[in-house]
Amino acid sequence: DAGVIQSPRHEVTEMGQEVTLRCKPISGHNSLFWYRQTMMRGLELLIYFNNNVPIDDSGMPEDRFSAKMPNASFSTLKIQPSEPRDSAVYFCASSATRGQGHYGYTFGSGTRLTVV
Amino acid sequence: GIQVEQSPPDLILQEGANSTLRCNFSDSVNNLQWFHQNPWGQLINLFYIPSGTKQNGRLSATTVATERYSLLYISSSQTTDSGVYFCAVSGNTPLVFGKGTRLSVIA
Repeated sequence: DAGVIQSPRHEVTEMGQEVTLRCKPISGHNSLFWYRQTMMRGLELLIYFNNNVPIDDSGMPEDRFSAKMPNASFSTLKIQPSEPRDSAVYFCASSATRGQGHYGYTFGSGTRLTVV
Repeated sequence: GIQVEQSPPDLILQEGANSTLRCNFSDSVNNLQWFHQNPWGQLINLFYIPSGTKQNGRLSATTVATERYSLLYISSSQTTDSGVYFCAVSGNTPLVFGKGTRLSVIA
């Protein structure tokens, strides 16, 4: 298995531009998670999906952030308009869910976003 | 929500030394993972260990779920072990990460 695939690896954009981050989870995993890592806040959950349905988006910082999962093999995280404080590393992860629990997360390589 | 505390926050070792990293958590969990974030930023899964003991080469981990802690042992450390080690736990909600232990192994 190729693991969780994220693109792009690096993104530099100007303030006010739209940014779209992409994620392909591991085949057969039914949960997908978007995390953000910053020096100040560490690794924090933004949103997660179960069977392509958004379950909890309380970690999404503002309405400028949106996420979709149109099918089991693809998810996007969009920031519109982007701001310098959105600069961070964004990770996607997937796992298999049994009952109420999530097991064995696998993380992608992350997207390092810089907004200037 | 679940709280995760890791100690120590920073650790400097001479190559060849052994170390123990600790993770305390505040509630019962059904998932506990240890990750290594390498200098390139990749999060590498080391262990999925909600309970019991596992070993993988020079690394081993033990989780005592009833006492809500986990330990990661690194033996005969190498410079390539440098980076940040994260403990992350979940119950019925997604993984919550600790702040990590930053390990520097000096040749």
